[in-house]
Amino acid sequence: KQEVTQIPAALSVPEGENLVLNCSFTDSAIYNLQWFRQDPGKGLTSLLLIQSSQREQTSGRLNASLDKSSGRSTLYIAASQPGDSATYLCAVLSYNTDKLIFGTGTRLQVFP
Amino acid sequence: EAQVTQNPRYLITVTGKKLTVTCSQNMNHEYMSWYRQDPGLGLRQIYYSMNVEVTDKGDVPEGYKVSRKEKRNFPLILESPSPNQTSLYFCASRIGSSGANVLTFGAGSRLTVL
Repeated sequence: KQEVTQIPAALSVPEGENLVLNCSFTDSAIYNLQWFRQDPGKGLTSLLLIQSSQREQTSGRLNASLDKSSGRSTLYIAASQPGDSATYLCAVLSYNTDKLIFGTGTRLQVFP
Repeated sequence: EAQVTQNPRYLITVTGKKLTVTCSQNMNHEYMSWYRQDPGLGLRQIYYSMNVEVTDKGDVPEGYKVSRKEKRNFPLILESPSPNQTSLYFCASRIGSSGANVLTFGAGSRLTVL
């Protein structure tokens, strides 16, 4: 059974820092991995989707990497801003199911 | 604007009083799904639908019902709510049946059952 873990559970950093959020999964037979952002009172917004054949995806200040063999993904946020404060979730889609399995998220606070 | 709309956004009810949370999408998506989010447990899938009149159980379907009579709507029904169904609920949709396509989420419905 696929399990997804995110470390740390919470992170507080000053504005301008580069930071890394971690996601690990137990079954490497995945179709893709997605990173989402969740804001209070709002739904989840898809940030990046990495197919199993890819090593990384970039969007603006965000870069997500995928190491399928070790069951790990990282989300790198460059030059963090207070507007980046949110909960970040990763989710994997396994080959043998059509369901996204979510991690419990990392709650990020960026203070001025 | 392309979106998934859930109603109500907030609801406090009592044990046993039937309720329905509506979900509607305007993107002509085939696939729709309901999730619940609980602290320490992440998002868990309740039910999903690959298309009209096709629904399947997710990981935590007990105590819930769904229907998919129209492509755009996918209501979640709690016939006899219990306190353990207090949670934050999300509806989501995506185009086609492939898991490779990105899910679009609604804003969430926070339900409290007393």
